[in-house]
Amino acid sequence: QSALTQPASVSGSPGQSITISCTGASSDVGAYTYVSWYQQHPGKAPDLMIYDVSSRPSGVSNRFSGSKSGNTASLTISGLQAEDEADYYCSSYTSSNTWVFGGGTKLTVL
Amino acid sequence: EVQLVQSGAEVKKPGESLKISCKGSGYSFTSYWIGWVRQMPGKGLEWMGIIYPGDSDTRYSPSFRGQVTISADKSISTAYLQWSSLKASDTAMYYCARHRSEDIATPFDYWGQGTLVTVSS
Repeated sequence: QSALTQPASVSGSPGQSITISCTGASSDVGAYTYVSWYQQHPGKAPDLMIYDVSSRPSGVSNRFSGSKSGNTASLTISGLQAEDEADYYCSSYTSSNTWVFGGGTKLTVL
Repeated sequence: EVQLVQSGAEVKKPGESLKISCKGSGYSFTSYWIGWVRQMPGKGLEWMGIIYPGDSDTRYSPSFRGQVTISADKSISTAYLQWSSLKASDTAMYYCARHRSEDIATPFDYWGQGTLVTVSS
């Protein structure tokens, strides 16, 4: 299975909103509502930010939201803060009963 | 408190074998899928495979099937990732992570701290 496609980088100023896309196929993103998003700061393990396309785990800010249309899922971060600067990865369940990650997106807060 | 504690960093030569571990605590180890994720230097996350310790049901990514072996010892709440013959391209950080429930279609909610594997002659 191929990795999901994400933009290599996005940037935004504090207070602004940004959206990161994640494009897959009809056998993964398009087939299920099992899309997750992870945040990874340098040198740290990833943290779960969004699951099941748009659900937030307890403790995750409501500035983080997710959506999906067809084979593309999206993560939106509103009211950007300096601490949001990190790498973000999408992940989807697949028709092979496995998971696949996206290539990752580096978010820079200007 | 749920914790996944991984074994320490390893430095190996090409051709050597290796087994790294991930010990779970604070939850019912046999009731949740545990997976392994590779992150090569400066690169993204790659899903390698998972195991259900309750019955040792194992799934592999096509990219990693035959390259590594995932196992678990439920008596000591520990999952393993092993190689029979390491290559320089196996140099990476390896994370273990727990799925959110006994359902495989759930995300990873807890992660280990990572084990750095360096393979160099």
